[in-house]
Amino acid sequence: DAKTTQPPSMDCAEGRAANLPCNHSTISGNEYVYWYRQIHSQGPQYIIHGLKNNETNEMASLIITEDRKSSTLILPHATLRDTAVYYCIVPSLITGKLIFGQGTTLQVKP
Amino acid sequence: DTEVTQTPKHLVMGMTNKKSLKCEQHMGHRAMYWYKQKAKKPPELMFVYSYEKLSINESVPSRFSPECPNSSLLNLHLHALQPEDSALYLCASSQDQGWQINQPQHFGDGTRLSIL
Repeated sequence: DAKTTQPPSMDCAEGRAANLPCNHSTISGNEYVYWYRQIHSQGPQYIIHGLKNNETNEMASLIITEDRKSSTLILPHATLRDTAVYYCIVPSLITGKLIFGQGTTLQVKP
Repeated sequence: DTEVTQTPKHLVMGMTNKKSLKCEQHMGHRAMYWYKQKAKKPPELMFVYSYEKLSINESVPSRFSPECPNSSLLNLHLHALQPEDSALYLCASSQDQGWQINQPQHFGDGTRLSIL
């Protein structure tokens, strides 16, 4: 199972783009990268996922490097409500299990 | 609002009590999951059900007993819990526990359990 590495915390000014990095250097060719976030006192919320190409949805953009060893989640215009713990996860191809690491605590400041 | 509904939201029980946590989804998902989350820690997988059959048990103590009566419902029966079992219990579902892993899991907001 591919391990992911994220910085423990980041700050972002409200209205600015938040760029959250993730390293997954042991990812295999068929493994997806998933991003979830958890706002205090709520369950994890699915944000986006990708395999090789960059992806965008109404919440965020996911940029995956060409060698697939790292990715960046981009929140284009962060708001105070985006303050949360963000998890980058590579689910197991064999079991589908999500193994949550410590994630990145994003603090959006006014 | 989430599409996975968990009840109750809060539960306080003694170590000799028997209680159950309930989880419901109506998205037609065939895989359902229980996670445990201690304070300031990430969620940890406990059980996975696939097509109403137990697929994965992460060596969870027998005082936790899962049940999947139908494809929309998932229960977690609790008996003789210990104070260290106090945690947020999260339920999730996905379309299935497929090998392609192109299906996100959707989480409920959890049941916050306190053992006295």
